Amino acid sequence: DGGITQSPKYLFRKEGQNVTLSCEQNLNHDAMYWYRQDPGQGLRLIYYSQIVNDFQKGDIAEGYSVSREKKESFPLTVTSAQKNPTAFYLCASSIEARGRALNEQFFGPGTRLTVL
Amino acid sequence: KNQVEQSPQSLIILEGKNCTLQCNYTVSPFSNLRWYKQDTGRGPVSLTIMTFSENTKSNGRYTATLDADTKQSSLHITASQLSDSASYICVVTLLTGGGNKLTFGTGTQLKVEL
Repeated sequence: DGGITQSPKYLFRKEGQNVTLSCEQNLNHDAMYWYRQDPGQGLRLIYYSQIVNDFQKGDIAEGYSVSREKKESFPLTVTSAQKNPTAFYLCASSIEARGRALNEQFFGPGTRLTVL
Repeated sequence: KNQVEQSPQSLIILEGKNCTLQCNYTVSPFSNLRWYKQDTGRGPVSLTIMTFSENTKSNGRYTATLDADTKQSSLHITASQLSDSASYICVVTLLTGGGNKLTFGTGTQLKVEL
């Protein structure tokens, strides 16, 4: 199905390695987001981007990096500096414009990252 | 501190029964409140969205209510089905000068059994 795709679905990483999670959307949305989900916790915002070539840190950006070279793509790199990277990562997108508070965020299927 | 609290943490009901999930929030200034359904290992899917001026919104067997004065919301599921087994997440949007910020609850894990 279309919308937002994330790959891979499962990812295993050795300590000290960087890994990149893919997020692609064909909804022509301006804004894209990365969240982290841990058991017993609400989703936490890592990074977001409201327009191509621009992105902002969220609440837990340390140890992560992103790029937004194309409107439809927003890859997330989990670096070796991230102390506890094992989690479920969710990408989302929305038609974003300032003041449009009802913009719905559409989520991808997620990537489960496990550090061995 | 802006927070969203959900109860119960988990719930088991029999197929065909109704149930109500609760959400209390302290987010201010409030913009809107959303309920999402998240199947295990999948991304959340939106069920309802309500602004501060709305007090009820339905989507099939799902009915959400909002009391902006007491900062409480509920999600009522009617005639539950096995496919309703999922985590239900309450999300409150905070209005900020730099845009809108979403605050997520930890979810209620619902299991519907035969």
